[in-house]
Amino acid sequence: GENVEQHPSTLSVQEGDSAVIKCTYSDSASNYFPWYKQELGKRPQLIIDIRSNVGEKKDQRIAVTLNKTAKHFSLHITETQPEDSAVYFCAVTDSWGKFQFGAGTQVVVTP
Amino acid sequence: DGGITQSPKYLFRKEGQNVTLSCEQNLNHDAMYWYRQDPGQGLRLIYYSQIVNDFQKGDIAEGYSVSREKKESFPLTVTSAQKNPTAFYLCASSIDGIATSNEQFFGPGTRLTVL
Repeated sequence: GENVEQHPSTLSVQEGDSAVIKCTYSDSASNYFPWYKQELGKRPQLIIDIRSNVGEKKDQRIAVTLNKTAKHFSLHITETQPEDSAVYFCAVTDSWGKFQFGAGTQVVVTP
Repeated sequence: DGGITQSPKYLFRKEGQNVTLSCEQNLNHDAMYWYRQDPGQGLRLIYYSQIVNDFQKGDIAEGYSVSREKKESFPLTVTSAQKNPTAFYLCASSIDGIATSNEQFFGPGTRLTVL
């Protein structure tokens, strides 16, 4: 089945710096790649997603890049702010259309 | 956010007891999902349902059961056969469970603790 690896598991950045999280996957048939943000004790919420026919997508300070050949995609957060502190999960749809989630990255933004 | 609810928020269970977690959505979504979240791990799929009166096992279905008698409801029962049930349980829904590129919307979660 689909195997999703997410790195790093924790990431500390100074406010204003950039943060990058990377996910690799194994199923070349995967075609949808969402990123979710989960604050402590809260539900995951979609922050950005990308489909396989697109290489990059940007929404204000957040961007996602996809390399289908290498089977990896990355989340980029620029000009980080304290409210960006949370756990971020990548996900990949497998051949059956189900989501497989990465293990998560704890992002801490220090003022 | 709104439109998918879970209850209760916290649940305590004694060993050997079955408990049922509620999940309701008013988004008119066809597909619903149950995930389990443990510390330091991603979300793992327990069961999913693409349409009313049909459901499929996910990756960790052992010790759990579900029903989908109504479109808006997808309750999860944690049975005594589940060896380590203490976890955070998240319910989700999406417009269409057949397509592979639909956003999933999550409920607020139920934290189950076995005493």
